[in-house]
Amino acid sequence: DVKVTQSSRYLVKRTGEKVFLECVQDMDHENMFWYRQDPGLGLRLIYFSYDVKMKEKGDIPEGYSVSREKKERFSLILESASTNQTSMYLCASSLVPYYEQYFGPGTRLTVT
Amino acid sequence: AQSVAQPEDQVNVAEGNPLTVKCTYSVSGNPYLFWYVQYPNRGLQFLLKYITGDNLVKGSYGFEAEFNKSQTSFHLKKPSALVSDSALYFCAVRDIPTSGTYKYIFGTGTRLKVLA
Repeated sequence: DVKVTQSSRYLVKRTGEKVFLECVQDMDHENMFWYRQDPGLGLRLIYFSYDVKMKEKGDIPEGYSVSREKKERFSLILESASTNQTSMYLCASSLVPYYEQYFGPGTRLTVT
Repeated sequence: AQSVAQPEDQVNVAEGNPLTVKCTYSVSGNPYLFWYVQYPNRGLQFLLKYITGDNLVKGSYGFEAEFNKSQTSFHLKKPSALVSDSALYFCAVRDIPTSGTYKYIFGTGTRLKVLA
């Protein structure tokens, strides 16, 4: 079974802090994704990566950056957290970019 | 532009009754369609997909979905609902961009409530 883990289930940060969200997958998948989930908006793609050190912007990249130094690890960085970044963050991986994705449990981030 | 719609925010069904969760899509070219389920405080779990072939696709936990090209729909169904099926369900379609890499478009989700 594919396992995708995220570093924290719940996180509370202050406005202006730099925030790191870590994601690790154990199935040697090429493709990894970061989404945010908000009620009524579904899932929105922030960034994805199709190879080590490769990344592409999704639909809402503003205020975020990513890092993929190793195949199994994909990090989401909030450079200066703001209250409108309070959300559920979901990481996913897939063998083929447009086939089924496997999700981590999510990190619920609150920025105060 | 590619899009996917889940017209119902919530669906209520009695335990033991059949359930349907609706999804319609708009893509140019052949669609790749997916259903995911999200239980409370969990990530999404893949249920089933349609890529090509038989219009009726069977997936996990007794769910199935019917691809209807003329109606551009991919409704999720189950013959007999269980209380444990209560969750948030997402439909997704592969985006076919004019440039760049393929990605998904997710619907806004439908909350299924199965009543005992």
